Amino acid sequence: DGGITQSPKYLFRKEGQNVTLSCEQNLNHDAMYWYRQDPGQGLRLIYYSQIVNDFQKGDIAEGYSVSREKKESFPLTVTSAQKNPTAFYLCASSIQLQETQYFGPGTRLLVL
Amino acid sequence: GIQVEQSPPDLILQEGANSTLRCNFSDSVNNLQWFHQNPWGQLINLFYIPSGTKQNGRLSATTVATERYSLLYISSSQTTDSGVYFCAVPHGGSQGNLIFGKGTKLSVKP
Repeated sequence: DGGITQSPKYLFRKEGQNVTLSCEQNLNHDAMYWYRQDPGQGLRLIYYSQIVNDFQKGDIAEGYSVSREKKESFPLTVTSAQKNPTAFYLCASSIQLQETQYFGPGTRLLVL
Repeated sequence: GIQVEQSPPDLILQEGANSTLRCNFSDSVNNLQWFHQNPWGQLINLFYIPSGTKQNGRLSATTVATERYSLLYISSSQTTDSGVYFCAVPHGGSQGNLIFGKGTKLSVKP
């Protein structure tokens, strides 16, 4: 089946620790995105990538990093510099920028 | 930057009822997307609708770009329609950046 997968479903982070969230798609989409959602709020863009080996900061990139070495993969690292990382993280992809976006099931990150 | 406002913030319906959700945006846009987030967090794209009207089963959407609003109609609502409905428009200065509204939380009671 074609789609977007995210892992893990739940992730616990200790103080000062970097953690990496996985996002994989087999839709052959060029564009991929990472969003953060806080309780009762809409989504905010962290990073997006138009094509392999290219990515751009979104509205809330501080404390996060990404890579795009393969078309199908767009991992997000939450660094120790992100002081309030507890949130629901959603990955999405689209054929090209500004086309219809398709979302993965999300990863819930909690700080211990 | 562009502002996106959705109304109402919360809506409770009896199964079978119809409803209209509204999305206002503060600047001209070249596309608009409606999403449904189910109670488990999964977002599904409902419509990509920069202007005009589209229909998909019991759902339809209309965007009036010149007046900067979009409407999502849900007819004969079912309990599975429950969740949060978001609209999103592109950030004018960034091609990849969608700005989301805060959503309308819909609860459909049996």
